Amino acid sequence: AQSVTQLGSHVSVSEGALVLLRCNYSSSVPPYLFWYVQYPNQGLQLLLKYTSAATLVKGINGFEAEFKKSETSFHLTKPSAHMSDAAEYFCAVSADTGRRALTFGSGTRLQVQP
Amino acid sequence: DAGITQSPRYKITETGRQVTLMCHQTWSHSYMFWYRQDLGHGLRLIYYSAAADITDKGEVPDGYVVSRSKTENFPLTLESATRSQTSVYFCASRTGQTSNQPQHFGDGTRLSIL
Repeated sequence: AQSVTQLGSHVSVSEGALVLLRCNYSSSVPPYLFWYVQYPNQGLQLLLKYTSAATLVKGINGFEAEFKKSETSFHLTKPSAHMSDAAEYFCAVSADTGRRALTFGSGTRLQVQP
Repeated sequence: DAGITQSPRYKITETGRQVTLMCHQTWSHSYMFWYRQDLGHGLRLIYYSAAADITDKGEVPDGYVVSRSKTENFPLTLESATRSQTSVYFCASRTGQTSNQPQHFGDGTRLSIL
């Protein structure tokens, strides 16, 4: 079984500041990890994924995440926040066992202040 | 256009009524999923399907029924709606047998049960 914990249900940053959204996972088998973004009244859009290749993964819109097995973490970062980054972000884990579906964290709402 | 579409986008119904949410994808993806999104819970898996005529329960299946007679369609039925089923419902699909492929999400159905 897998699980995901996202620390901080709300994060607020100033425009131009570093964005750091935290995600810790639990998995008894090698995990696949994903970050999705959700804008109001829309579905989820894939930002990036880790699938056991490079531990530093680059995604769309300038986001990146680093897989750290020793810390069971997959934190999402962006060097400089933009107003358009305001959205809800979900970390998710899956594996090639069991249901093979995504297990999601509870989400982090990012606010960007001008 | 290719993609995954959900209908209706919004639905209001009363307790005890049957309601069906539709999901259609044009990619011929083998896997399809239904999630519900509730505040503080992220997305939780209701049912999933690995192929036509193969379905299985997810984390929160009680009160829901699914079918998959064709690869492209995966309807979700609430047989006797209850207020606790008020939620936003997302359908998703992905290709491949391995879980490292990302899921693609529809725009969701916002369901209110009075």
